[in-house]
Amino acid sequence: KAGVTQTPRYLIKTRGQQVTLSCSPISGHRSVSWYQQTPGQGLQFLFEYFSETQRNKGNFPGRFSGRQFSNSRSEMNVSTLELGDSALYLCASSLFGNYNEQFFGPGTRLTVL
Amino acid sequence: DQQVKQNSPSLSVQEGRISILNCDYTNSMFDYFLWYKKYPAEGPTFLISISSIKDKNEDGRFTVFLNKSAKHLSLHIVPSQPGDSAVYFCAASGTNAGKSTFGDGTTLTVKP
Repeated sequence: KAGVTQTPRYLIKTRGQQVTLSCSPISGHRSVSWYQQTPGQGLQFLFEYFSETQRNKGNFPGRFSGRQFSNSRSEMNVSTLELGDSALYLCASSLFGNYNEQFFGPGTRLTVL
Repeated sequence: DQQVKQNSPSLSVQEGRISILNCDYTNSMFDYFLWYKKYPAEGPTFLISISSIKDKNEDGRFTVFLNKSAKHLSLHIVPSQPGDSAVYFCAASGTNAGKSTFGDGTTLTVKP
C-alpha cells in the first residue's frame, strides 16, 4: 500500500507570495491533517479535513487555509507569506481520525526569503 | 500554554539498557495518547498508543504507561538498540485523533 505523499518536497518563496502544498493520503483514508514544524518545536496542528469538510482547526491566522477533494487528496494554501512561515509542513492521514494513529508524509520544506 | 510537555530534550543510553521517555499533559479532556518516532528527513512514524481506560500497553520492546492522576505517560524501550536513535514525540488527543497535540520531542541516542 502506498504511503502518504506530499508535493513538492522543497519550496523557496519570497515574502508576500502565496504557496499551495499538496497531500495524497493512503488509499481509503478519509481524514487528512496538516501540521507545521519549526526548528526545535513540536508539531503544531493546522487543520483537519474529513470527507471534504474541515472538522478541526488550530490557532493559525486566516492566511492558512486548506481544502479536501472527493478523492481525499488535500491541499493547503498560505497567502501573503511571512519569514516566520518557513517550516516543515507535514500532512498525515488516518482512516476516520477517531482513535486512529496517523500516517505521516515526508513533509514539504518551505523556505521564505 | 503548552498542553503536552516533554521536559527532556535529549536522552542518551547504552545499547541493551532501558530507555525511558517521559511526557506530561495538562488537559484532562485528552483521552488518547500516542508515541511517534521521527528520523531526519522523514515524517513521524507511529509507534504505540494507549487509551485513557488503560494504564499500560505493550508492543514488543515498547511499553507505554499512563498515570491519569498525575497526567503523565512514559515510553519504555527494552532493550534499546542503536536503530532506536531518533526523535520521539508524545501526542495527545480527545475523541478525534485527527487533531493531536504534540510535545516538542526528545532526541534519543543509543550508543553501541
